[in-house]
This record gives sequence, C-alpha cells and structure tokens, in this order.
Amino acid sequence: DTEVTQTPKHLVMGMTNKKSLKCEQHMGHRAMYWYKQKAKKPPELMFVYSYEKLSINESVPSRFSPECPNSSLLNLHLHALQPEDSALYLCASSLNPSFGFGYTFGSGTRLTVV
Amino acid sequence: AQTVTQSQPEMSVQEAETVTLSCTYDTSESDYYLFWYKQPPSRQMILVIRQEAYKQQNATENRFSVNFQKAAKSFSLKISDSQLGDAAMYFCAYSPGANSKLTFGKGITLSVRP
Repeated sequence: DTEVTQTPKHLVMGMTNKKSLKCEQHMGHRAMYWYKQKAKKPPELMFVYSYEKLSINESVPSRFSPECPNSSLLNLHLHALQPEDSALYLCASSLNPSFGFGYTFGSGTRLTVV
Repeated sequence: AQTVTQSQPEMSVQEAETVTLSCTYDTSESDYYLFWYKQPPSRQMILVIRQEAYKQQNATENRFSVNFQKAAKSFSLKISDSQLGDAAMYFCAYSPGANSKLTFGKGITLSVRP
C-alpha cells in the first residue's frame, strides 16, 4: 500500500458544526502532516506529527484540533469554522521526520464553510 | 528563514517539446533537500523529483531532470518530450536536513498545447 487516504473528499459544514477529517496511511511512515491550500496557492503547513507526537503547530487557530491516535491515522477536528477556512486540506506522510525523503500526499478534502 | 521563489506564474509548451521551469531558494543551511511536486487538476500532489544538496550529480527521472546550481541556489526542472498529461501546477519545495518540513514556492501553471 503506497497511498495516503483522506476522507471525506468533499465536506460542506456550517459555522456552528463540528466535523472531522480523516487521514490514513499504511506505509510505516512515522511523520504525518496537515496542510491547507487555497486555490492557485501553495500548500501552507498547519501541523506536523512526529512519531505520533505533535512536533509543529504553525500558530493554527484553536478551531482546528489535530489528533494522532496511532502511527497510521491522523485526524483533524473542526469546530466553529469561518468561511475563510474554506480550502483544500491535504494530509501527507513521510518515512522519517528527520530526513528529506519527501512526502506522499493524499488527494485532499475540499472543505466549504457556509 | 528559508525562502523558495518561482518567479514565472505561467508557462506554455508545445507537445513533444522541452520546457524548463525555474526555481531559486535561499538558505543558510548546508544540508538540505529540494523537490519538484506536480499538482494536476485532480489536486493530488505528486513528487516528481528529489535532489540532495550534498550530491553534485543532477537528479533525473525519465523525462524529468533538474539543473541544480548550489552556489547560485538555483534548482530548475526540465521536462523533455512534453505530454498533455504534464499539464499541471508545479511547485518547487525545500526541506532542511534536520527535519522534513517543506517550504513551497508559489507554483507555476504549465499548459501543454497539442
């Protein structure tokens, strides 16, 4: 298995809703990442998990809450989002957080906040 | 702080021709990695090619090759025999050797004319 699987592919949520994005990989990668990408822009790093521990939080608002229950699974819990949070949310993984192996990306969740 | 610059927002190439995408970066690190990622309209980011800074030899992957000029901090991507499926947004990215945090350039949209 050489994939990063993200679910759902599309999500529409109201500003008062609570939802979660899910990311799964079975490649034995020990680093996992959440990125946010606006249209025609580069991905922006949100969180890094290294060996299942949160190692980087890029000053992301608390309405985004990451969780790494095990080495294969990464969640992003969403609560009280704003319309400007509408974006493509990409999950990625890499073999080792300490070396530049490059990422394997999922195909993303297209989030629309109404 | 590391920066990655892609100064051309768009390029176009005729099918079967060769095109070069430019990228420059700035870093004070001696150990780092450089990448080119492709993002087609399907939105999944795909690793095209990877270069280790300590290797003088330019990386190649089939029709894709790089011109890595370490002193000039330049990392351009050459696509030979361009195909319609090469049409996508291409991002240049940098990762320090100490961790796998990726910094992306703004990206370039490549169109391929039949």
